[in-house]
Amino acid sequence: ETGVTQTPRHLVMGMTNKKSLKCEQHLGHNAMYWYKQSAKKPLELMFVYSLEERVENNSVPSRFSPECPNSSHLFLHLHTLQPEDSALYLCASSPQGSGRTDTQYFGPGTRLTVL
Amino acid sequence: KQEVTQIPAALSVPEGENLVLNCSFTDSAIYNLQWFRQDPGKGLTSLLLIQSSQREQTSGRLNASLDKSSGRSTLYIAASQPGDSATYLCAAYNYGQNFVFGPGTRLSVLP
Repeated sequence: ETGVTQTPRHLVMGMTNKKSLKCEQHLGHNAMYWYKQSAKKPLELMFVYSLEERVENNSVPSRFSPECPNSSHLFLHLHTLQPEDSALYLCASSPQGSGRTDTQYFGPGTRLTVL
Repeated sequence: KQEVTQIPAALSVPEGENLVLNCSFTDSAIYNLQWFRQDPGKGLTSLLLIQSSQREQTSGRLNASLDKSSGRSTLYIAASQPGDSATYLCAAYNYGQNFVFGPGTRLSVLP
């Protein structure tokens, strides 16, 4: 499998559930990103990991918890979410972790619905 | 803080037309600007990346230009096809802010 993959593609969860989103990149890249795309709002950067270290946390509520065990895998752990957290969650990777020259490659996204 | 806007929000054109999508940004101290395509319910596909030292980039029927001084970028699509129907997003990269995305232009090319 090539590129950036995300699982699951669709997720429905209650506000008291705990779930995790998974992202895997097969491109040998050093940086990975989580984005949130809500209806009628621009894409919002949530977290950036470069060489497995979190380099940016964009004021995201603590009910979202990222984990990057190695440069190929990125998780987003979810707990006690709110209905307004329903959105498309996109993962991306880039070769060097510096946006100055990097192109970002996106996965297909996980469509999350919080009931 | 960087803000990115795109006009129009939606555009519908007949097949074969040439068209221009616009992207504006408030902070001209960008390192690069990137154009993406997004099909409904799917991830983004990178189309063109323009470095701050460049004025334009071309790929096939697509041409993107960058004017840092005026805070503008345009994406030109030649001889549009129904397969070009998608949402087009631009994103500006400023050091310390990472990529900031615009809201997108939803394009429909009618056969």
